[in-house]
Amino acid sequence: GAGVSQSPSNKVTEKGKDVELRCDPISGHTALYWYRQSLGQGLEFLIYFQGNSAPDKSGLPSDRFSAERTGGSVSTLTIQRTQQEDSAVYLCASSLFAGGAITDTQYFGPGTRLTVL
Amino acid sequence: GESVGLHLPTLSVQEGDNSIINCAYSNSASDYFIWYKQESGKGPQFIIDIRSNMDKRQGQRVTVLLNKTVKHLSLQIAATQPGDSAVYFCAPVDNDYKLSFGAGTTVTVRA
Repeated sequence: GAGVSQSPSNKVTEKGKDVELRCDPISGHTALYWYRQSLGQGLEFLIYFQGNSAPDKSGLPSDRFSAERTGGSVSTLTIQRTQQEDSAVYLCASSLFAGGAITDTQYFGPGTRLTVL
Repeated sequence: GESVGLHLPTLSVQEGDNSIINCAYSNSASDYFIWYKQESGKGPQFIIDIRSNMDKRQGQRVTVLLNKTVKHLSLQIAATQPGDSAVYFCAPVDNDYKLSFGAGTTVTVRA
């Protein structure tokens, strides 16, 4: 079946502009995660959605970052007033069992490469 | 606290040889470990996982070994192929769904 999809694949923006990144999880997956991966560095957790529960926003680096998940499916990550340090690959993942088991495999999308000039 | 897998940055291997990718972690409370593979321009892809009550697990052409005493994992790839060229990450999981891994090991397969 289809995997996690993300759009756009690449986004170049000017400092100070707002951007929206989209994630379509695997159908039927109730958990959705956003991560950030900087060049040559590791994975940084941003936010987690599970069903109708309040999202875990503990990884968002500043109040310029926000995310929504509508209808328990598609999610949008919004970065306001972008800064150069926001440049990174933004990865979305989804999983089936909503984090109830730590062994719940997360499946990643291809990412959106964001470049802030 | 959060445990991040630490790797040597690069590994060059001859096609057909076996590869061994090593990973050290810091939190002795980590009880589940995942290996991911990331090819250029793609997201991380799940390879294999292992629980802390095991010391070895085998998949298709891959074997993961876990040594909890020294907080070390390895991923062995048998008969390495060009398609195995990628960055490999180990992700220790500390009873939390938040994955975290470091810069990984870049594996280059020589023809």
